[in-house]
Amino acid sequence: DQQVKQNSPSLSVQEGRISILNCDYTNSMFDYFLWYKKYPAEGPTFLISISSIKDKNEDGRFTVFLNKSAKHLSLHIVPSQPGDSAVYFCAASYPIIQGAQKLVFGQGTRLTINP
Amino acid sequence: ETGVTQTPRHLVMGMTNKKSLKCEQHLGHNAMYWYKQSAKKPLELMFVYNFKEQTENNSVPSRFSPECPNSSHLFLHLHTLQPEDSALYLCASSQDGTRRLAQYFGPGTRLTVT
Repeated sequence: DQQVKQNSPSLSVQEGRISILNCDYTNSMFDYFLWYKKYPAEGPTFLISISSIKDKNEDGRFTVFLNKSAKHLSLHIVPSQPGDSAVYFCAASYPIIQGAQKLVFGQGTRLTINP
Repeated sequence: ETGVTQTPRHLVMGMTNKKSLKCEQHLGHNAMYWYKQSAKKPLELMFVYNFKEQTENNSVPSRFSPECPNSSHLFLHLHTLQPEDSALYLCASSQDGTRRLAQYFGPGTRLTVT
């Protein structure tokens, strides 16, 4: 049973346009949501997170939106740049013991930015 | 620079071999994690250590044995693996008490079991 789903395995966007990556989750216990970016032969790199008590968090070109009633979050990248081409993972977090967190990842969406 | 290093980066081993994966974090974090990423599957949490104590074992077979001698080092000992254990093994760390912050990942070890 997959608790975090990214239904689009790939997305292609023109440079300068907005990229929108989507993620759905099923577990109401998640209290933080995160987006990671992964290049080939590297580990995932943290991009941005949002608490379950918020509905929006913005950091430069990246904005994450959370719709708790729909159990849906999205990552907006604007304007998209060629260096944004990577695999993006959505992850949801809940506490397991003080100081540690359990992350549940989606399958990832491969974003390609075309010049 | 992620501050989390993993060695080796690539490993090929037979089913009867014993090998170990090593992870080291230079970020002053207190929690460390092992993840497995198989082809076309999401990252799966295997083990969590917090202050050197194992706090999570996500139903991982006993042929995988973790060790955390201190908060900066994490090992994954491998013994009599199966071909289906071939995957990318990622180590991560996070800061105690700050769950809103991310886990920081190493580059991973690409393991092939023949």
